[in-house]
Amino acid sequence: ETGVTQTPRHLVMGMTNKKSLKCEQHLGHNAMYWYKQSAKKPLELMFVYNFKEQTENNSVPSRFSPECPNSSHLFLHLHTLQPEDSALYLCASSQQWSSYNEQFFGPGTRLTVL
Amino acid sequence: GESVGLHLPTLSVQEGDNSIINCAYSNSASDYFIWYKQESGKGPQFIIDIRSNMDKRQGQRVTVLLNKTVKHLSLQIAATQPGDSAVYFCAENTGANSKLTFGKGITLSVRP
Repeated sequence: ETGVTQTPRHLVMGMTNKKSLKCEQHLGHNAMYWYKQSAKKPLELMFVYNFKEQTENNSVPSRFSPECPNSSHLFLHLHTLQPEDSALYLCASSQQWSSYNEQFFGPGTRLTVL
Repeated sequence: GESVGLHLPTLSVQEGDNSIINCAYSNSASDYFIWYKQESGKGPQFIIDIRSNMDKRQGQRVTVLLNKTVKHLSLQIAATQPGDSAVYFCAENTGANSKLTFGKGITLSVRP
């Protein structure tokens, strides 16, 4: 285990639903990340939080809304998603925001939008 | 635009043989590179990294080679084992406050 947990592991939702993905890290890290991993495409960074402050929003549509209540927890709120949003959503954490810091990934949430 | 890519989508090797996975990058300003391994049902796992002031770095059974002249990165796995079967991808970085750019990934399949 990497010390980063994600729930749920699988999620199927309709385009009108509202759901949330949860990530928790037990590593004492100060930076947390959301990535999207689509089939046959590179990992795409979505959001970065450093010491609970959002430092990166990689042009993500507003139907994805992140929340970071503390350095250990990260949420991704989903609403009115599209079928093309179906992907594996990965959470990661690192000591702090820097690409030189090793990122530890959770197992991901497999999202299917119908 | 800048991109990071992998030459081959799949690689099949015999157990016990050495594996070489290649990655091309196009951003000459990149100064830090990472190899990740992703097993089925799991998130990516850091394997090894290298900074641009080095051309080789060794870990346990793995070696990363960096050729800045041709912007090429490779991962060598010695004595490949069934547990090495996974998707491998490289990532590059151009600075401490920049995001990592990831490659698409190559599947390594180890034949018993």
